[in-house]
Amino acid sequence: EVQLVESGGGLVQPGGSLRLSCAASAFTFSSYAMNWVRQAPGKGLEWVSYISGSTTTIYYADSVKGRFTVSRDNAKNSLYLQMNSLRAEDTAVYYCDWKGNWGQGTLVTVSS
Amino acid sequence: EIVLTQSPATLSLSPGERATLSCRASQSVSSYLAWYQQKPGQAPRLVIYDASNRATGIPARFSGSGSATDFTLTISSLEPEDFAVYYCQQRYNWPLTFGGGTKVEIK
Repeated sequence: EVQLVESGGGLVQPGGSLRLSCAASAFTFSSYAMNWVRQAPGKGLEWVSYISGSTTTIYYADSVKGRFTVSRDNAKNSLYLQMNSLRAEDTAVYYCDWKGNWGQGTLVTVSS
Repeated sequence: EIVLTQSPATLSLSPGERATLSCRASQSVSSYLAWYQQKPGQAPRLVIYDASNRATGIPARFSGSGSATDFTLTISSLEPEDFAVYYCQQRYNWPLTFGGGTKVEIK
């Protein structure tokens, strides 16, 4: 069974940084693109970033471009999201997404 | 950016009734449209992909239809576990976008 486990969330001050991880299992991780999607408390869903299996293609939502960096380690079956210059509006549960399969999410709270 | 508009915002129905949810795209997304179900405190779960294909483990009472700009998710006979928020998502081009959601609540 496919499993995606996000981690790394927590409370961070505005302007701070955080690195999220997503551990994948039960599929050939290196062969597939991955996405990060987020959901602010009580709000809808927002796509954040995409990375191809080979890392040659990367996209970001305008709201995070220049502040967030997506990466992956195919040897470790892991996906990452480096988040810098965090703002209050980045507060959300962050999910990794493989072909519509999502993990349970990790909560990021940006507050002083 | 492709805007997805879902209607209605809330659907109040009783168990056993038929639910019809709509998702309209601001431009064609071909058949690259997915539907997700989300219950409180849980991650979204894929229900339908590519407009009309049921995801693994999804009961046959769920069906999807449509193409280009108009899509429908139908639940033929609501079960208690189907009451949730449903989101549509287009995977046709970047940025990927979601609709605002339809809440299916118990009447």
